[in-house]
Amino acid sequence: DIQMTQSPSSVSASVGDRVTITCRASQGISSWLAWYQQKPGKAPKLLIYAASSLQSGVPSRFSGSGSGTDFTLTISSLQPEDFATYYCQQANSFPPLTFGGGTKVEIK
Amino acid sequence: EVQLVESGGGLVQPGRSLRLSCTASGFTFGDYAMSWVRQAPGKGLEWVGFIRSKAYGGTTEYAASVKGRFTISRDDSKSIAYLQMNSLKTEDTAVYYCTRVMDTAMVGSIDAFDIWGQGTMVTVSS
Repeated sequence: DIQMTQSPSSVSASVGDRVTITCRASQGISSWLAWYQQKPGKAPKLLIYAASSLQSGVPSRFSGSGSGTDFTLTISSLQPEDFATYYCQQANSFPPLTFGGGTKVEIK
Repeated sequence: EVQLVESGGGLVQPGRSLRLSCTASGFTFGDYAMSWVRQAPGKGLEWVGFIRSKAYGGTTEYAASVKGRFTISRDDSKSIAYLQMNSLKTEDTAVYYCTRVMDTAMVGSIDAFDIWGQGTMVTVSS
């Protein structure tokens, strides 16, 4: 199974900050990586697929990069509505399809 | 509006069965693979399994933790996906989300989950 490791597990940031979250795969997954945002009590929302493709309707302050084993999600200027937990997910090899453990973005 | 609505969750004793339903609207259900993802209280996301569209044989794949106990099926005439859960364990307690599969290469695989239902809570406890 491919393990997905996210770092940090939590980050404190202020509105306007640039925030970067990292996801590392235990083996190469090409660009088969997606990012999701989840707010408390809500379903996850797809932000990025294929490592860097922005899902329709998602603000352009979100961007994804990387290939192989190392990936990043960047929020260029953090907005109040961006405080949430973010998950990466690999789709290169399944079953099983696997998610990272999550990164909680909190208000500083 | 593209929408998925889950139903069927509740409290069930260990060893019993439960069937979840996912009713889709706003898109051509039969053209898409569907998947289930769960989230235990306070925990991260765990993929449960998925079912391909009929165009790709309607076949299924499961996580090891549920294989042999859970079965995903679909009724394209009703736009409903099902998750039949048998021999439930306490560790199956979670919110269960129905998701639509994004398959950009159209090869019967999974790129991501682009539409999610609101989730239904399943509690396995005596």
